[in-house]
Amino acid sequence: EPEVTQTPSHQVTQMGQEVILRCVPISNHLYFYWYRQILGQKVEFLVSFYNNEISEKSEIFDDQFSVERPDGSNFTLKIRSTKLEDSAMYFCASSVDSSIQYFGAGTRLSVL
Amino acid sequence: QQQVKQSPQSLIVQKGGISIINCAYENTAFDYFPWYQQFPGKGPALLIAIRPDVSEKKEGRFTISFNKSAKQFSLHIMDSQPGDSATYFCAALAGNNRKLIWGLGTSLAVNP
Repeated sequence: EPEVTQTPSHQVTQMGQEVILRCVPISNHLYFYWYRQILGQKVEFLVSFYNNEISEKSEIFDDQFSVERPDGSNFTLKIRSTKLEDSAMYFCASSVDSSIQYFGAGTRLSVL
Repeated sequence: QQQVKQSPQSLIVQKGGISIINCAYENTAFDYFPWYQQFPGKGPALLIAIRPDVSEKKEGRFTISFNKSAKQFSLHIMDSQPGDSATYFCAALAGNNRKLIWGLGTSLAVNP
């Protein structure tokens, strides 16, 4: 069964460093999303991406964040200068029709 | 307006019992209501979903009941099994870009 793949599963970084979280969505999907879940809190929408551009972003998704689909298969989330409060599970999701969203296993980002 | 309120936060049920998780929303623009199941270390997986023109949807042991006038929906797990022990999230889909708005989650433990 096709699945969304995220790497790495765990990323540890120092505050102020740049991180790139990688996702391989399901191959025929057209809509792509990043969500995050801070420990013990609800899952929060970060950004949606369709037709090679951002469709919507939340207030969390500030200038430190960017997304890219560099080669037609990968979908990346970059955090330019990480802060302690960026520590969370980051989930990538993809969808063929923007309704049913399939999630990866997540990347746990720990900012020290 | 964009919130989805979920209760209870945690639930303990005996094997064979019925697990009931409730959610409420305010935004009448929501038009798709999925439930996600999440096991530790995994991403959320779509369990069952409903649209507001239907009052009930059943898939195996899982049933969604939807009350459009009350803006409430609930997940019923019949004959609960220890393997159902997981965190359950209700969500609602909103906007042209179809971002998921999540409830806080319910941690379900089914005792053998």
